[in-house]
Amino acid sequence: SAVISQKPSRDICQRGTSLTIQCQVDSQVTMMFWYRQQPGQSLTLIATANQGSEATYESGFVIDKFPISRPNLTFSTLTVSNMSPEDSSIYLCSVGMVPWEYVDTQYFGPGTRLTVL
Amino acid sequence: TQLLEQSPQFLSIQEGENLTVYCNSSSVFSSLQWYRQEPGEGPVLLVTVVTGGEVKKLKRLTFQFGDARKDSSLHITAAQPGDTGLYLCARNSGGSNYKLTFGKGTLLTVNP
Repeated sequence: SAVISQKPSRDICQRGTSLTIQCQVDSQVTMMFWYRQQPGQSLTLIATANQGSEATYESGFVIDKFPISRPNLTFSTLTVSNMSPEDSSIYLCSVGMVPWEYVDTQYFGPGTRLTVL
Repeated sequence: TQLLEQSPQFLSIQEGENLTVYCNSSSVFSSLQWYRQEPGEGPVLLVTVVTGGEVKKLKRLTFQFGDARKDSSLHITAAQPGDTGLYLCARNSGGSNYKLTFGKGTLLTVNP
């Protein structure tokens, strides 16, 4: 398995500001992903974080709104830019292709609960 | 988009009862993951099933993968309040990019 930590665990932000969320894994992993979970909803993939190159975004998500960095195999950041109340969600980091696990298996961090006022 | 349908959406039962939740798709899965998510936490992996007809047990939880690999079920025996949570199934989205598509989940409440 993999142990994943996220910072901050929660935050309350003002409209128009930006927040950067950090994700740290305890081992080198090939795949890192960022998800959003809106209140009472399931998980929606925002993007795949690619080491040393631009992230791959899913339909409906753009780099200007959700810039992502991945400088190495154990760390990634997601920034939620120019926030509005509609961005209030839980943001989750996950890792995939974990050694000795089935290729599709992913492990999740504890999430960052964001409230935008 | 290859959709996953989970049922029931909500389930409220008494401690000690048994229950089964379902995850279905119109297309074949290469694998399926079950997760449990408690309020304020990230999803925790319960199991990955890969082979059609496969049955895996995790204490009081029994996971079954359909023979045709289009459906899966999770059965809980003698449910306890600690089983309360959102149960999510997920499958590979297709292709070789290892992305997952999630169902909408079953929200289980076990009352003492």
